[in-house]
Amino acid sequence: EDQVTQSPEALRLQEGESSSLNCSYTVSGLRGLFWYRQDPGKGPEFLFTLYSAGEEKEKERLKATLTKKESFLHITAPKPEDSATYLCAVRGNQGGKLIFGQGTELSVKP
Amino acid sequence: DAGVIQSPRHEVTEMGQEVTLRCKPISGHDYLFWYRQTMMRGLELLIYFNNNVPIDDSGMPEDRFSAKMPNASFSTLKIQPSEPRDSAVYFCASRPVNTEAFFGQGTRLTVV
Repeated sequence: EDQVTQSPEALRLQEGESSSLNCSYTVSGLRGLFWYRQDPGKGPEFLFTLYSAGEEKEKERLKATLTKKESFLHITAPKPEDSATYLCAVRGNQGGKLIFGQGTELSVKP
Repeated sequence: DAGVIQSPRHEVTEMGQEVTLRCKPISGHDYLFWYRQTMMRGLELLIYFNNNVPIDDSGMPEDRFSAKMPNASFSTLKIQPSEPRDSAVYFCASRPVNTEAFFGQGTRLTVV
């Protein structure tokens, strides 16, 4: 069964303090690993898709990387507006569904 | 495109009542998903459709839950009868083939 585990559950950073969020996964035939951002009271918003080990993608202060067992979301010099819950999801070869982890709640204080 | 549109945004109902949640996916998207989000369980997939056909409903918690997609631009999730433990935020999402999914703003359901 496809499974996604995210850590830590919550992360508090000072503005400018870089860190990483972890997403460990088990999946039958990875068809894509997805990172989403969710703000309170809103739906998840797409950030990145990674398809194969070694792949990296960047967007502003965020950089996502992928290995065969896990993905990292690196946040460089975060700002308060980066505060949100970050969700990781995988799609395997058993159909078109996305399986999500529990998320990491990031808080960046000025 | 306006994105995935869900209605209502908030629903408060009494235990035992029927609840119907509605979703309009993005035009041209082949897949439609219904998720439920709670603090305890996170985002759980309830059911998904491909080209209006239900593919996997293994996440539907009980027979009280049912979902339909009568055409490519509309889907409903119905709970009958509703119970307090059904209280959650329900999300609808859609996607084309082999790309990311786009989520609606969700319906916050409270069953009292």
